[in-house]
Amino acid sequence: QSVLTQPPSVSAAPGQKVTISCSGSSSNIGNNYVSWYQQLPGTAPKLLIYENNQRPSGIPDRFSGSKSGTSATLGITGLQTGDEADYYCGTWDSSLSGVVFGGGTKLTVL
Amino acid sequence: EVQLVESGGGLVQPGGSLRLSCAASGFTFSSYNMNWVRQAPGKGLEWVSYISSSSSTIDYADSVKGRFTISRDNAKNSLYLQMNSLRAEDTAVYYCARAGPHYYYYMDVWGKGTTVTVSS
Repeated sequence: QSVLTQPPSVSAAPGQKVTISCSGSSSNIGNNYVSWYQQLPGTAPKLLIYENNQRPSGIPDRFSGSKSGTSATLGITGLQTGDEADYYCGTWDSSLSGVVFGGGTKLTVL
Repeated sequence: EVQLVESGGGLVQPGGSLRLSCAASGFTFSSYNMNWVRQAPGKGLEWVSYISSSSSTIDYADSVKGRFTISRDNAKNSLYLQMNSLRAEDTAVYYCARAGPHYYYYMDVWGKGTTVTVSS
C-alpha cells in the first residue's frame, strides 16, 4: 500500500486532455514539493515535473502540475499515443523521513 | 551527455550479498546528491537510499535499514550500494538516480537500471 494514492488507470482519446491525481497527507504532500515521473514501457522513469509545477528543459508544455492542500494533479493535454506510460508522483514524507511515491497510474490513449 | 550506468546486478541466494555500482558521466558528480530507487517486477517505484554530495548525510528506507549500505567515490564518479542479507522481496530493478539541484528529494536523471534477483 503506497503512502501516496493514485488511480490505477486513466484513459482518453488522442488529442484530448487527462488528469492524474495524487493524494497524500500533511506529512508529505501538504508540506513538501511534489514531482512527477513518466515511465514508458520497459524503460527507466523520467522526470516530468518538479516543485509542484516546474518543467525541466525539454519537457513540452502539454505536461503541467498543480498542488492544493494534500493533493496534487498532473495534467496532460493534446494526448498522443506516445504518452502511453505509467506515471508516478513523489515527494518527501516527514514522518517516514524518506522519499515516497504513489502506486503509479497507467495511462492508455485509446 | 549526462549519463548514469548501473552494474553489478545478478542472481543471488537468500541471505547472500551483492554490490551495485553506478558510473556517472557528463556532469560534476561531486556536486550532486544521489539516490537508489528500486522497482519490483510489475510493481511501483520504491526509494531505497540517499547520500549527499559529500557523504555527510545518508538515509535509508526502513525496508533496507541495517542490511544495505550506500557509499560514493567522488574521485571515481561512482555510487555504490552494498546489499547484505538479501531476501526474496529485494528482487527488483535497481535504479541509480541523481537528486535534482533545486531540492534534495526529487530525481532529475535516472540510469537504465540493473536487475537483482534473490532466489534459491
